[in-house]
Parts: sequence; structure tokens; C-alpha cells
Amino acid sequence: GENVEQHPSTLSVQEGDSAVIKCTYSDSASNYFPWYKQELGKRPQLIIDIRSNVGEKKDQRIAVTLNKTAKHFSLHITETQPEDSAVYFCAARDDKIIFGKGTRLHILP
Amino acid sequence: DGGITQSPKYLFRKEGQNVTLSCEQNLNHDAMYWYRQDPGQGLRLIYYSQIVNDFQKGDIAEGYSVSREKKESFPLTVTSAQKNPTAFYLCASSTWTGSPFNQPQHFGDGTRLSIL
Repeated sequence: GENVEQHPSTLSVQEGDSAVIKCTYSDSASNYFPWYKQELGKRPQLIIDIRSNVGEKKDQRIAVTLNKTAKHFSLHITETQPEDSAVYFCAARDDKIIFGKGTRLHILP
Repeated sequence: DGGITQSPKYLFRKEGQNVTLSCEQNLNHDAMYWYRQDPGQGLRLIYYSQIVNDFQKGDIAEGYSVSREKKESFPLTVTSAQKNPTAFYLCASSTWTGSPFNQPQHFGDGTRLSIL
């Protein structure tokens, strides 16, 4: 079955700097890779997703890159802002969906 | 995003007691899901349903049961067989395009279950 590893577990960046969160997956058949943001005490919300036929996708300050050969995908947040502070989860889907354990992102003033 | 409503927000269970968590959606989604979230862990799939009157076990189904009698509703029962039920439970829904999990999921606000 699929296994998803997410790193780092905690990340602190200065406001305005970039943040990168990386995930690796084990099943080469995985074809859908969403990223969810969960603010403290709130529900997870999809922020961006990518499918296996695409190498990169961007939405304003957020981008995701996918390397199918290496079986890893990354979330990039540029020009970080205080409201980016949250826990971010990656996921990979083959016949089921497996989530990473999350990255707690702190944006430092 | 008020499309999915979970209730109650907090729930307490006594030893040997079954409790039921409610999940209702008005997004007209075919697929619905239940996840368990423990501190420092990702979301783990308990059960999912692709269509009314059909549901499938996820990775941690033991000690849980579900029903899907209506498209809008997917209640989760935590039975007395679940020995470690203290967790945050999240319900989600999505469109279904022939196979599950390949569309964005919309989550509810969750139910926090604790043991008395």
C-alpha cells in the first residue's frame, strides 16, 4: 500500500521569506496529490492539488511541483504572511488516499 | 464553507457505550468519508461511501460502523469495541468521477470525542 512521508514536521520562516514542504510517496501508481491547510481549531481546506500528468502548478503565492521519477512532491509558499501559519498536510492517492503527518508552519514577525 | 455539518462539536463516551457522530452535507456530493486525527498524526481513513447504501472500510475500520441511507448523511458509530476512541473525527465529501479520492475533499469542522 501507499506510504507518505512528510518533512519537516515543524518549519519556522521569517515573514516575507519562502517556505518549502516536501513529501515522498511509495506507490508509483499514485496519480493525485492534494495539499490541505488546517488552521488551529479549524477544518482542513484544500489549497492546491496536482495530478500525475502535470509537473508543476501555481496559484498566486502557492505552487506545487511533482517529480514522478523520484516519487516526491513539494509545496512552495512565497512571500509568506502571518495568515500562512497553520498545519499543512500532503496526500497521495492510488486506490485509497494516504495523508502525511503534517508540517506545522510558523511565520515569524 | 457551510456545506458539511458535523455534530456534536464535543462528545464524551462512557466505558462500554456506543456513540454516534453526525455528518450532513448539502453539496450534492456522492462520496463521503470519515477520518480520525490524532495529535502529530495525519488523517487516517476509517470508512468511505461512494453511493447510497454502499460503503467500504478504510485503514482503521475496526471498532467503528457507518450507514449511508441518504445521500446527504453519513453517520459514524464508535462502538465499545474501539478501545482507544479519544480523537478528533473529521467527515468529508467530494464529487465522484468513477473512483474515490481523486477529487478535492470538503471537510466539516470535526467532532472531538473523549472518554469519561
